[in-house]
Amino acid sequence: IAGITQAPTSQILAAGRRMTLRCTQDMRHNAMYWYRQDLGLGLRLIHYSNTAGTTGKGEVPDGYSVSRANTDDFPLTLASAVPSQTSVYFCASSDELAGYNEQFFGPGTRLTVL
Amino acid sequence: GQNIDQPTEMTATEGAIVQINCTYQTSGFNGLFWYQQHAGEAPTFLSYNVLDGLEEKGRFSSFLSRSKGYSYLLLKELQMKDSASYLCAVIDSNYQLIWGAGTKLIIKP
Repeated sequence: IAGITQAPTSQILAAGRRMTLRCTQDMRHNAMYWYRQDLGLGLRLIHYSNTAGTTGKGEVPDGYSVSRANTDDFPLTLASAVPSQTSVYFCASSDELAGYNEQFFGPGTRLTVL
Repeated sequence: GQNIDQPTEMTATEGAIVQINCTYQTSGFNGLFWYQQHAGEAPTFLSYNVLDGLEEKGRFSSFLSRSKGYSYLLLKELQMKDSASYLCAVIDSNYQLIWGAGTKLIIKP
């Protein structure tokens, strides 16, 4: 693994189904983030984690949950998907101990909820 | 509320120079990023400004004026591969990144 990986690359999901988007980084970054990106709205923060064992809510957390059991993994779960959650989801990480928190992004997951 | 404004779309000619502006109104300021995002791909880091002035990195330069809440990204000697969206993001007083909606740059031959 080099950098950040996300899985799946894309997914079509029926409304009401549960879905977990996976994110793994191998840079030993302490901070990780989940964003959704919709046309014309830019990146919106869903949840974040400043360090393993802690998580926080971002701008649009409703309908999503996260966990951070270890440094490398930061899965995002949609408990009961709705069509408004159709979006491109990006996971990112940063080294909070660096001078500034440049974020490194995964390749994204394109999710369609029907 | 917090707000970052960028033009939605710009068009420029190959070989020319283009300036993409970003104005921000945030609760505090701890730095400003510019990211590049090609269609269907992830954003990638271009520049970081925390002090007033111009930061130059090859064909790309980024300028910051904290008193005016203003930044611009300057791209010189435009190439077709520079066609992408350019995202401005500000670190607020809580060290959260606030993102603009991005500027789609179209390069014409």
